[in-house]
Amino acid sequence: GENVEQHPSTLSVQEGDSAVIKCTYSDSASNYFPWYKQELGKGPQLIIDIRSNVGEKKDQRIAVTLNKTAKHFSLHITETQPEDSAVYFCAASMRGGADGLTFGKGTHLIIQP
Amino acid sequence: ETGVTQTPRHLVMGMTNKKSLKCEQHLGHNAMYWYKQSAKKPLELMFVYSLEERVENNSVPSRFSPECPNSSHLFLHLHTLQPEDSALYLCASSQAIFPPTYNEQFFGPGTRLTVL
Repeated sequence: GENVEQHPSTLSVQEGDSAVIKCTYSDSASNYFPWYKQELGKGPQLIIDIRSNVGEKKDQRIAVTLNKTAKHFSLHITETQPEDSAVYFCAASMRGGADGLTFGKGTHLIIQP
Repeated sequence: ETGVTQTPRHLVMGMTNKKSLKCEQHLGHNAMYWYKQSAKKPLELMFVYSLEERVENNSVPSRFSPECPNSSHLFLHLHTLQPEDSALYLCASSQAIFPPTYNEQFFGPGTRLTVL
């Protein structure tokens, strides 16, 4: 089955700086790579996703890149703000996610004021 | 609000108890999922229901028994649990289209389960 590794487990950055979280996956058949943000007491919420036929996607301060050859994908957050503090999860899936998602262990992002 | 609700939000039970977790989605989706979130493990997929039929069972112990009576409701029946089953149980839904395209999963807030 699919295996997703995520690094780092904790990331502390100064407000206004950029944050990068990296993930690798094992199954070359995976074709859908979402990123979720989880705040305390809440369920994960999708913030951005990328499909295997795209190399990069951007939505305001958030961007995701995908390297299919190396089987890794990354989340980039620019101009970080205090409300970006949360746990971020990457995930991978075949069949567009219909059969469920395989998640990484999560990154606790801390934005220092 | 994501359109996926879960009850109860917190549950404490003994190892000999029987309880059920409930999930309801108000998004018109046709696929629902149960995930387990433990402190030191990634989110683990437990069960997938698509069009009210179970399509995935990731070697989950039989003390967890899912039920999907219709496309809007999903239950997880619990019996004879162990302390290591204490975790956050998350429900999600998506519009599973066949052949599959790319389907965002919407998560509920979860049920925090403690087994004594």
